Amino acid sequence: EAGVAQSPRYKIIEKRQSVAFWCNPISGHATLYWYQQILGQGPKLLIQFQNNGVVDDSQLPKDRFSAERLKGVDSTLKIQPAKLEDSAVYLCASKGSSGRNNEQFFGPGTRLTVL
Amino acid sequence: DAKTTQPNSMESNEEEPVHLPCNHSTISGTDYIHWYRQLPSQGPEYVIHGLTSNVNNRMASLAIAEDRKSSTLILHRATLRDAAVYYCILFGGSNYKLTFGKGTLLTVNP
Repeated sequence: EAGVAQSPRYKIIEKRQSVAFWCNPISGHATLYWYQQILGQGPKLLIQFQNNGVVDDSQLPKDRFSAERLKGVDSTLKIQPAKLEDSAVYLCASKGSSGRNNEQFFGPGTRLTVL
Repeated sequence: DAKTTQPNSMESNEEEPVHLPCNHSTISGTDYIHWYRQLPSQGPEYVIHGLTSNVNNRMASLAIAEDRKSSTLILHRATLRDAAVYYCILFGGSNYKLTFGKGTLLTVNP
């Protein structure tokens, strides 16, 4: 079974520029998550999708961050404009609708550096 | 959200057992105890979870205190590949989000 795919793996931009990250979840997984992980901390949930609808975006900085999952499969997370404090690893995770343990499967992440 | 407390770091020697503690004194009756780990430069991966009874799987064992206010993740024979940050997370009840703390950084010495 293929895992969660993310691209790019690394991105370096200057502050005030825009950036987008892409995630392809495990086939058939209805739930998709985006997390932000700042160095030295645990991942923090930014947004959760169920199919193509948003379930929870309470911690998404909506003035600069946006995310979509138009066809209920892959997803993009965008930052516009980026700030220095956005430097972090952005992790995508997915979860199937069945399963006894609510296990989330994580991708390798995209490491963003804002200069 | 109910919180967990873990040591910042622990060290172990290869092929020895490792006991990673987690305190969760405010756990509610419907909270499951989940453990994830994050290997260097990778996303977190699920390890094990439990509610009341001790649990075993191919990766680890989970020992849950009778009052459920603490738990211990047990790696029976640590390998160098087990070096990672281990997160103890309460899930369920009123909280259906994975809320990660800083976890415990496990170092395994050869």
